[in-house]
Amino acid sequence: AQKVTQAQTEISVVEKEDVTLDCVYETRDTTYYLFWYKQPPSGELVFLIRRNSFDEQNEISGRYSWNFQKSTSSFNFTITASQVVDSAVYFCALSEGLSNDYKLSFGAGTTVTVRA
Amino acid sequence: SQTIHQWPATLVQPVGSPLSLECTVEGTSNPNLYWYRQAAGRGLQLLFYSVGIGQISSEVPQNLSASRPQDRQFILSSKKLLLSDSGFYLCAYTGLAGGHTYNEQFFGPGTRLTVL
Repeated sequence: AQKVTQAQTEISVVEKEDVTLDCVYETRDTTYYLFWYKQPPSGELVFLIRRNSFDEQNEISGRYSWNFQKSTSSFNFTITASQVVDSAVYFCALSEGLSNDYKLSFGAGTTVTVRA
Repeated sequence: SQTIHQWPATLVQPVGSPLSLECTVEGTSNPNLYWYRQAAGRGLQLLFYSVGIGQISSEVPQNLSASRPQDRQFILSSKKLLLSDSGFYLCAYTGLAGGHTYNEQFFGPGTRLTVL
């Protein structure tokens, strides 16, 4: 079963528009971690944020913000006033439990295209 | 500071030839190490991970193998490449800072492998 679902395959917006990427996860563990990564055209995955299951505070970092809601098992990501440089594939990921392997389950990714 | 290197950056190999991809990490000790493959336009597939020297866990049975001869070195190998081995190979590690292991994974620049 898919542990992380990113239902949006592709999103296309015009510069300065806001864009929200959805992420729904599934786990039976009470301790878990959620992540967002960005993969620009160069290919390297860039770590954006980590959230643990006990911290439901939303977070803002510049034009990026994250909304974590345990009640709906969602960890959504919003880019405000998008720019062309935001064009990339964005992955949501889940790490479950307290195992020391720290394995990640990735969603399928959402491709964001920001047009000038 | 911690850094991760992968080489080569690109590789074109004939079917049936051997493969060796190398990943090294600097600035941390006893990291967890991971190999992922990403087929064109697809998500990330975890191939192998290692929690210590000589300890390799395989996630997907396949034509590939991994080894960890040193603490910060992770090698992905194949004796005979298949066409289906083509893809973008990413190495990642979990970092240690201030005595605490952070479970977010940091990725290398990747190796783009084409098998002809």
